[in-house]
Amino acid sequence: EAGVAQSPRYKIIEKRQSVAFWCNPISGHATLYWYQQILGQGPKLLIQFQNNGVVDDSQLPKDRFSAERLKGVDSTLKIQPAKLEDSAVYLCASSRAGGYGYTFGSGTRLTVV
Amino acid sequence: GNSVTQMEGPVTLSEEAFLTINCTYTATGYPSLFWYVQYPGEGLQLLLKATKADDKGSNKGFEATYRKETTSFHLEKGSVQVSDSAVYFCALLQTSYDKVIFGPGTSLSVIP
Repeated sequence: EAGVAQSPRYKIIEKRQSVAFWCNPISGHATLYWYQQILGQGPKLLIQFQNNGVVDDSQLPKDRFSAERLKGVDSTLKIQPAKLEDSAVYLCASSRAGGYGYTFGSGTRLTVV
Repeated sequence: GNSVTQMEGPVTLSEEAFLTINCTYTATGYPSLFWYVQYPGEGLQLLLKATKADDKGSNKGFEATYRKETTSFHLEKGSVQVSDSAVYFCALLQTSYDKVIFGPGTSLSVIP
């Protein structure tokens, strides 16, 4: 089966600019996750969707980060305005019910200068 | 809350040395446990997993046993190679919430 697709692969922006990342999960996976991985740290869950509803966004900095999953398939994660500390790899993952088939995409590496 | 703790790195070993990376967890219920590996410049890859107590996950010469009595899932390999140099993440799946949470990672460098 095709994996989790993410784009772009890399992005460099200036602070205070906005940026958006896109994720296409594995077909049939109802649950979608966005993680932030800062260099030298483990991935941190930002938001979890079940179909097109939010299950957990407790770690999402809602003053600048937003995410949506229209129609329960693709998802976008947006940062506006970006800060230097947002430099990280943003990983998307998807799974079936119960966490089965949990699969990560290759990630988007964001550099904020 | 649920959490994962790993031994701090970096760990530096000579080729063919024995590897142990310690991992302990705190969780309610019966989580599944994982080791992920991240090679330099690459994405996360699932290395091995165990879904219940006393299960042993294995892959590419790596092994880890799910020890519920000690809440541990230590990663071992009998003879490391230079190509094993990477960052290793211990993780658990919170079955009530269907989400994977990660430890901080342990960097391994294997020198010839």
